[in-house]
Amino acid sequence: GAVVSQHPSRVICKSGTSVKIECRSLDFQATTMFWYRQFPKQSLMLMATSNEGSKATYEQGVEKDKFLINHASLTLSTLTVTSAHPEDSSFYICSASLAYEQYFGPGTRLTVT
Amino acid sequence: EDKVVQSPLSLVVHEGDTVTLNCSYEVTNFRSLLWYKQEKKAPTFLFMLTSSGIEKKSGRLSSILDKKELFSILNITATQTGDSAVYLCAVEADSGGSNYKLTFGKGTLLTVNP
Repeated sequence: GAVVSQHPSRVICKSGTSVKIECRSLDFQATTMFWYRQFPKQSLMLMATSNEGSKATYEQGVEKDKFLINHASLTLSTLTVTSAHPEDSSFYICSASLAYEQYFGPGTRLTVT
Repeated sequence: EDKVVQSPLSLVVHEGDTVTLNCSYEVTNFRSLLWYKQEKKAPTFLFMLTSSGIEKKSGRLSSILDKKELFSILNITATQTGDSAVYLCAVEADSGGSNYKLTFGKGTLLTVNP
């Protein structure tokens, strides 16, 4: 089956620093990747849709300058949380689409102290 | 704005019980409805439903979609403690061009006690 990896799985950073999260489709090429955020005991909220080679489409309320998304190749998308603050602490999950199905990565737990 | 509502939000049952989880939706440009199981990490795919009235089945789990009434149910028979998880319903809709997106419900937390 299609496999999506994320790195790192867990990261702790200090307030004001930036953190990069990678999402890779391991055995397929993904034209489109999605980034979600999940708060404790809540559902996944779509942050942005990322198409290879073009600018990401952000959902309403998501700050483009804070959550930088780059989809440089068909197997890699990155999410950079810039100038992180404690309220950015969350579980971030990416997914990659293949033939109209989405395959989820294992998620990244970000804690900003 | 696309909306997906799941009920109940949480449910506690005993092993062997049968449960029914509900998902209703309001979306523009509906494409499909998906069910996921989420334990500790990322969701794992259960079913994709695109047509009304056709039951999809996998072991003790089954699901059906009603596109007229805009809802779906997920049934789990003979529940086991390993079924304890959050069950997420998501609706896939076209968002313009060749893009589409998933809108998730809040999930149903199922706890199966021995």
